[in-house]
Amino acid sequence: QKEVEQNSGPLSVPEGAIASLNCTYSDRGSQSFFWYRQYSGKSPELIMSIYSNGDKEDGRFTAQLNKASQYVSLLIRDSQPSDSATYLCAVTSGAGSYQLTFGKGTKLSVIP
Amino acid sequence: GAVVSQHPSRVICKSGTSVKIECRSLDFQATTMFWYRQFPKKSLMLMATSNEGSKATYEQGVEKDKFLINHASLTLSTLTVTSAHPEDSSFYICSARAYGTTPYEQYFGPGTRLTVT
Repeated sequence: QKEVEQNSGPLSVPEGAIASLNCTYSDRGSQSFFWYRQYSGKSPELIMSIYSNGDKEDGRFTAQLNKASQYVSLLIRDSQPSDSATYLCAVTSGAGSYQLTFGKGTKLSVIP
Repeated sequence: GAVVSQHPSRVICKSGTSVKIECRSLDFQATTMFWYRQFPKKSLMLMATSNEGSKATYEQGVEKDKFLINHASLTLSTLTVTSAHPEDSSFYICSARAYGTTPYEQYFGPGTRLTVT
């Protein structure tokens, strides 16, 4: 059973702080890793993808991947109230598999 | 780029009727589309994977005769909920996988909120 685990939160951070969201996965053969943001009542929006170990930065977002530890994280710098949402970690398994396995999401609340 | 639309955004139907939901990739060709269901405060549940020109692959526990999926072209997939019942009320979301350099990325439509009375 492939599993993706996230702390459900809520994670509360003050405006301007760094929000750190974590995710672990059980399938060691996983190859592609994604972070989606989902506002209440809306569909998920892709914000980051990462495929190799290390860091990947895009604006205020940094994704970090450690395949040895089966761990992926998302850092949001200079958090804004508009970042308040549920963040979903998603993983695809081995080569040729396009199905995403989602975590249950971490609810982030950025306090003004 | 990578825009996916869904129609309708919201539908209310009576128990026993059927409802069709359309999912379109607007600016790219989608070899594969996925259909998800999400109940309030729950995570996304994959219902089925749809490949253009072939039969959909359903996840365990999803009735293929109740949730009919047609992926007739590289830009359109439809989900028909047949003989809908109140327990089918949910948020249905499609996603599409594009050709190209980022084939593993999925882009989601805005979702369809179905209420069965």
